Amino acid sequence: DTAVSQTPKYLVTQMGNDKSIKCEQNLGHDTMYWYKQDSKKFLKIMFSYNNKELIINETVPNRFSPKSPDKAHLNLHINSLELGDSAVYFCASSQGWGDQPQHFGDGTRLSIL
Amino acid sequence: KNEVEQSPQNLTAQEGEFITINCSYSVGISALHWLQQHPGGGIVSLFMLSSGKKKHGRLIATINIQEKHSSLHITASHPRDSAVYICAVGDSNYQLIWGAGTKLIIKP
Repeated sequence: DTAVSQTPKYLVTQMGNDKSIKCEQNLGHDTMYWYKQDSKKFLKIMFSYNNKELIINETVPNRFSPKSPDKAHLNLHINSLELGDSAVYFCASSQGWGDQPQHFGDGTRLSIL
Repeated sequence: KNEVEQSPQNLTAQEGEFITINCSYSVGISALHWLQQHPGGGIVSLFMLSSGKKKHGRLIATINIQEKHSSLHITASHPRDSAVYICAVGDSNYQLIWGAGTKLIIKP
């Protein structure tokens, strides 16, 4: 059974569209994350979220918003997609914050035409 | 200067060699993570440590809090160890700060 699953694996869409990437974890973790891996392979954290607190990387445009319907899900919504949004997006989860091991999804490759 | 520095950026070695990847950081941390990303893109958490040393199979991770330095060692390296190894530190503000990664290639 996949511990952290993201859908879709690949997403190709036009500039200006609104899209969502879903993430689900079945590990019972209370904290979930979204990361963006850019063309230089740097992994940059976008959001950290648990049932008490959302921490946003201030460099993330407000076109990006996390939505958590429950503790096991953290979806990423992106409005008005831009060319620079093309990247691989990783979801992760952990029990607690940054001092616990994180489990990653396989990534979603987003390509903007 | 980056808050998390890894070295080397690229490393090519022969099968069987002992591998060392280094990570230095400049911020106060709650924990340090070593992760592995394979060519297919998936990321796997290898270690999370806040002091001392951890071992898992042929992998060993050490951390020196006073010197703000960590090393990841691979003994008896194998071509399947070829991947990008990433060091990341969790700071007191619940942020994870990532290194740029070390690309390791093990030749048969």
